[in-house]
This record gives sequence, structure tokens and C-alpha cells, in this order.
Amino acid sequence: DAKTTQPPSMDCAEGRAANLPCNHSTISGNEYVYWYRQIHSQGPQYIIHGLKNNETNEMASLIITEDRKSSTLILPHATLRDTAVYYCIVRAPYKLSFGAGTTVTVRA
Amino acid sequence: NAGVMQNPRHLVRRRGQEARLRCSPMKGHSHVYWYRQLPEEGLKFMVYLQKENIIDESGMPKERFSAEFPKEGPSILRIQQVVRGDSAAYFCASSPGGLGEKLFFGSGTQLSVL
Repeated sequence: DAKTTQPPSMDCAEGRAANLPCNHSTISGNEYVYWYRQIHSQGPQYIIHGLKNNETNEMASLIITEDRKSSTLILPHATLRDTAVYYCIVRAPYKLSFGAGTTVTVRA
Repeated sequence: NAGVMQNPRHLVRRRGQEARLRCSPMKGHSHVYWYRQLPEEGLKFMVYLQKENIIDESGMPKERFSAEFPKEGPSILRIQQVVRGDSAAYFCASSPGGLGEKLFFGSGTQLSVL
């Protein structure tokens, strides 16, 4: 799997947008970019994924650069319940490899 | 539609005993994945199974660990002769299969070895 680089932590104010960057400069053509999050000791929760087009769902938006070497996860209106570790994963056909992720703390 | 079910939620074993962790995938899912999360670390892939087949066990320790996903019943992760270093959270995920699909995770089994 391609390696990803994320900042170790970031703070966000409640109600504001949270923009989480991820670098994946060695991504190959058939690898998807996935985002998961893990809220304290729970199982990881799927957020969103994409191949090369920007994606949006009820939870977040995913912006992938044209060269696919980086992406940004956007939480449009962060709430306290969004406090979690967020993982950016570039996935080979059938398995995920989780790195250290970004610990996001949403503050009131 | 029930999610991925793992049991037990917590499992305590003494050194040398066997641990059996169960995972029932979501309805209609035929692919199961096991991950381990050691304290203060990220999740590490262990094994990927389809019904009755091990597809990729590259993340499994070479000894004492085994996994199966029989035609009927849940997937089982089995750890023989547990040691304190096996203490971790074990997560199971399932997917319907195919390229680009997303994984659904269970709540995990917390294994504590005394």
C-alpha cells in the first residue's frame, strides 16, 4: 500500500469546518483514498472514499488533487462528537493499513 | 440490518490458555478481516478471509494464531497459549467484496492476558 502522511493532531472550534490534510505521493492508479475515524476504543467508522473525483456524503467531503498525491477531508460543521482519531488510508484491492492518524479535538 | 457482531466484548485469559474470538459479518457479506490494536497504537491488519478460504494472512504472527471462516457460522480468531503481549483490542470487519468497497467494523474484543 502507498504510505500516507498526516499531521499528528489538530484542534477545531465547534461549528467550524475542519480540514484534515493527507499526503500520499506514492499512490498508484488503482488505489482508492479512504477515510475512517475511531472514537475512543470503538471500532473504526467509515467516513468516505474516492478514486480521483471529489466526493461528498452526509458526513464529509473529500477533495483529491488532480495528481492524486494528496487529499483533504472536510467536516463542514464540526461538533464535539467529531472528536476522534482520523485515518487516511490508501488502499490496495482488499486490505486497509492504518497509520497513526490525526487526533482531532473539537472544542466548544 | 444488524452490523458486524463480535463476541465476547471482553475476554480475560491467563497465560497459556486459549482465546477464541468470534465475528459474525453483516448479512450478505462474504469477506472478513481481522485487525489488532495494541495499546496506544494504530490498527494492524492480520488476516483476510472469504468463506472457507484464507486470502491473505500476511499480518498474522507465525505461531499460535489461526483464523477460519467456515461455510456456516461466524469467523473465529484463535490464539493458543496466550502471552501477556497478546493483550490488545481485536477488531473484525466485513465487506461484500469487490474493488473499492468499504469495510464495516465491529465493536471489538478486548483481550486481557493475566
